Amino acid sequence: DIQLTQSPSSLSASVGDRVTITCRASQDISKYLNWYQQKPGKAPKLLIYDASNLDTGVPSRFTGSGSGTHFTFTISSLQPEDIATYFCQQYNNLLFTFGPGTKVDIK
Amino acid sequence: EVQLVESGAGLVQPGGSLRLSCAVSGFPVTENYMSWVRQAPEKGLEWVSLIFSAGGTYYADSVKGRFTISRDKSKNTLFLLMNSLRVEDTAVYYCARVGMAAFDLRRAYFDFWGQGALVTVSS
Repeated sequence: DIQLTQSPSSLSASVGDRVTITCRASQDISKYLNWYQQKPGKAPKLLIYDASNLDTGVPSRFTGSGSGTHFTFTISSLQPEDIATYFCQQYNNLLFTFGPGTKVDIK
Repeated sequence: EVQLVESGAGLVQPGGSLRLSCAVSGFPVTENYMSWVRQAPEKGLEWVSLIFSAGGTYYADSVKGRFTISRDKSKNTLFLLMNSLRVEDTAVYYCARVGMAAFDLRRAYFDFWGQGALVTVSS
């Protein structure tokens, strides 16, 4: 089974800061990595699929990149409404796997 | 507009059973891949089960043999029957549609989610 790790597990940043989260896969998953945002008490929301494609309606300050085993998720200018936990996710061999999550809050 | 609305949440004793429902509007359940994903309190996301449009079903090892995913075409509803419940099954359960780019399952993601249903297993 493919495992996903994320770093950092949490971060605090100021409004307007650039924020970067890393997701690493235990095996090569090509570009098949997705990112979600989950606000407290809410369901996750798909932000990015296939490592770098923004889902419909997602603000352009969110970007993703990477392939193989190393992926990054970036918020170019952190906004108060971006306070949430962010998860990466992959699918392989009839098994979906999520990363442990990165909690982002405002400094 | 796409909507997924779960029901059936509740408190159940260890060893008991519960059935969750997910009423879907905006797309036909039987023509899509659907899943259940759960989240234990203050924990991360864990995939639970998948049903293909053709009807094949798959489960995480943690629930295999105890949980059953199914659907009703006439009600456009997805179900999760949970038997032999354990304390560690306590979680918010989400139903979700599985989308994928270019019909390639390797590129699968969850593009629509329900609001979640809290299942508490406790004596």
